[in-house]
Amino acid sequence: QSALTQPASVSGSPGQSITMSCTGTSSDVGSYNYVSWYQQHPGKAPKVMIYDVSNRPSGVSSRFSGSKSGNTASLTISGLQAEDEADYYCSSYTSSNTWVFGGGTKLTVL
Amino acid sequence: QLQVQESGPGLVKPSETLSLTCTVSGGSVSRGSYYWAWIRQPPGKALEWTGSIYYSGTTYYSPSLKGRVTMSVDTSKNQFSLNLTSVTAADTAVYYCAALRAPPYFYFDLWGRGTLVTVSS
Repeated sequence: QSALTQPASVSGSPGQSITMSCTGTSSDVGSYNYVSWYQQHPGKAPKVMIYDVSNRPSGVSSRFSGSKSGNTASLTISGLQAEDEADYYCSSYTSSNTWVFGGGTKLTVL
Repeated sequence: QLQVQESGPGLVKPSETLSLTCTVSGGSVSRGSYYWAWIRQPPGKALEWTGSIYYSGTTYYSPSLKGRVTMSVDTSKNQFSLNLTSVTAADTAVYYCAALRAPPYFYFDLWGRGTLVTVSS
């Protein structure tokens, strides 16, 4: 199975909105609404920010939102804050009963 | 509050077996609403799913590791484990254990802090 495709980096200024993509195939992202997004600060464990495409866990800011169209999922962060600077990974369940992660996107807050 | 924490040796010799344990606290490993998973991250690289196990013993493994990886659950100790045989330097990574929320929701809900395992002689 191949990793999901994410842009290596995205950037934005405080207060702006950014969107990052996560492209898979019809065997993973395109077939299931089990796409999740994880935030990882340097040296820390990942933390779930969005699950099942567009659901936000309790305690996660409403500035984070997710969506999906076809084989591509997206994470949008509005009102960028300095603390949002981190690596972001998407993940999807697959038709082989396995999980696949993306290569990660480094978000820089300018 | 459910928590998971990895433990095991930080250094393994090439060709030997990497063995890690994850202790579940604040809840039971037999909790049907969760699978239990291992995810690894080589230094400076992306997350990689290693495998998942249900309390019944049903396992799912990464195709890239199949044949070398086994997972097990010990309900009496409230733990689950990872064994990876014939390791090489490419298996050097931070290994995370995680609670995988089961359907109707399906995502890695809780993560341990991670443990760095280095493969070196």
